[in-house]
Amino acid sequence: GDSVTQMEGPVTLSEEACLTINCTYTATGYPSLFWYVQYPGEGLQLLLKATKADDKGSNKGFEATYRKETTSFHLEKGSVQVSDSAVYFCALSHTGFQKLVFGTGTRLLVSP
Amino acid sequence: GAVVSQHPSRVICKSGTSVKIECRSLDFQATTMFWYRQFPKQSLMLMATSNEGSKATYEQGVEKDKFLINHASLTLSTLTVTSAHPEDSSFYICSASIPGLANPDTQYFGPGTRLTVL
Repeated sequence: GDSVTQMEGPVTLSEEACLTINCTYTATGYPSLFWYVQYPGEGLQLLLKATKADDKGSNKGFEATYRKETTSFHLEKGSVQVSDSAVYFCALSHTGFQKLVFGTGTRLLVSP
Repeated sequence: GAVVSQHPSRVICKSGTSVKIECRSLDFQATTMFWYRQFPKQSLMLMATSNEGSKATYEQGVEKDKFLINHASLTLSTLTVTSAHPEDSSFYICSASIPGLANPDTQYFGPGTRLTVL
């Protein structure tokens, strides 16, 4: 079946450091890929998405590129802020279906 | 954006009792709601898909008699954990879809409910 693998956390960074959170997937066909973010005490929010190979999703300074050849969708940000501290979930879904398959989540802690 | 609330945010109960968790879409009507659970250091796992006015569709391995789902209105779905045991302790999250746009882009998540069964 489909699955998503994320790097284990927590990831601890200083403010303005570069961020990469790895995500790889296993799926049949060509799923859509997503990154969700969960801030403390809040629900998951869609951060960015990509629906086909080589697409780049971006939002709030974060970006991720759909790499079909490596089945990856790594999340990157050039300069993190304290307010980026949250749990980040990678997920996939097949077009036309509502079901999301999530990774385990990666906690990011950014210190001043 | 659309807001989904869950109540309670935390609940502690004794083994053998039943617990009801509510999921509400506050500013939109949701024909479809989803229930997930998350164990520590594990991914969110879809438990069931709930459609207003019809029976929920449960994922493989989820006991429908233990996890009762009711979606009686377009703004409310409830999950009842019956005869709860310590192994049911988990983080339960719901999400709701906007009608006609039921895809992952338009799933709005609640903040979750932490259930602890003693």
